[in-house]
Amino acid sequence: GQNIDQPTEMTATEGAIVQINCTYQTSGFNGLFWYQQHAGEAPTFLSYNVLDGLEEKGRFSSFLSRSKGYSYLLLKELQMKDSASYLCAVFGNDYKLSFGAGTTVTVRA
Amino acid sequence: EAGVAQSPRYKIIEKRQSVAFWCNPISGHATLYWYQQILGQGPKLLIQFQNNGVVDDSQLPKDRFSAERLKGVDSTLKIQPAKLEDSAVYLCASSLDGASNTEAFFGQGTRLTVV
Repeated sequence: GQNIDQPTEMTATEGAIVQINCTYQTSGFNGLFWYQQHAGEAPTFLSYNVLDGLEEKGRFSSFLSRSKGYSYLLLKELQMKDSASYLCAVFGNDYKLSFGAGTTVTVRA
Repeated sequence: EAGVAQSPRYKIIEKRQSVAFWCNPISGHATLYWYQQILGQGPKLLIQFQNNGVVDDSQLPKDRFSAERLKGVDSTLKIQPAKLEDSAVYLCASSLDGASNTEAFFGQGTRLTVV
């Protein structure tokens, strides 16, 4: 099975940087996804990591360490529209895409 | 490219009634997922199809939930009879090929309220 942990809530100021951590314990690993979900809307894809290291995409970056079962999503130059839930999801050997509970990020002016 | 289509968007039923949700995935996507998302929680996988075959349904409450994907395209998820704890958003997602780690695209979801 999959056990995916991430903090419940985080608050940051507009223009700041926030790092959302995700730890996982899985029976297999074929990649890790980060999704963004605004209230009342569907999750939308942000990033995918399958090899160790940092993937940068504009203001968002995602890091993976497979040996530590650890990933983080880094949001830079925060904007009010970044207030949302951020979901860590692991693709296991059984080809199931399993999600963590999500981290609600609140950006304050 | 059209996205994943789901209907209805909202549904309110009384407990013990039955309900059905419909999903039309992105054209050409072999993998289809149904997730249940209770308020404040992450999506929980109910069932995963590869074409018209079931890959995983280990978390589907089979005494009341059923799903099918005839002809490997559209899918329906049914609950009969519904319980209060089934109140949630039911999300359908599809990906090109679930075995090659391609991203999943989500529909808008169906918000079910059981009263």
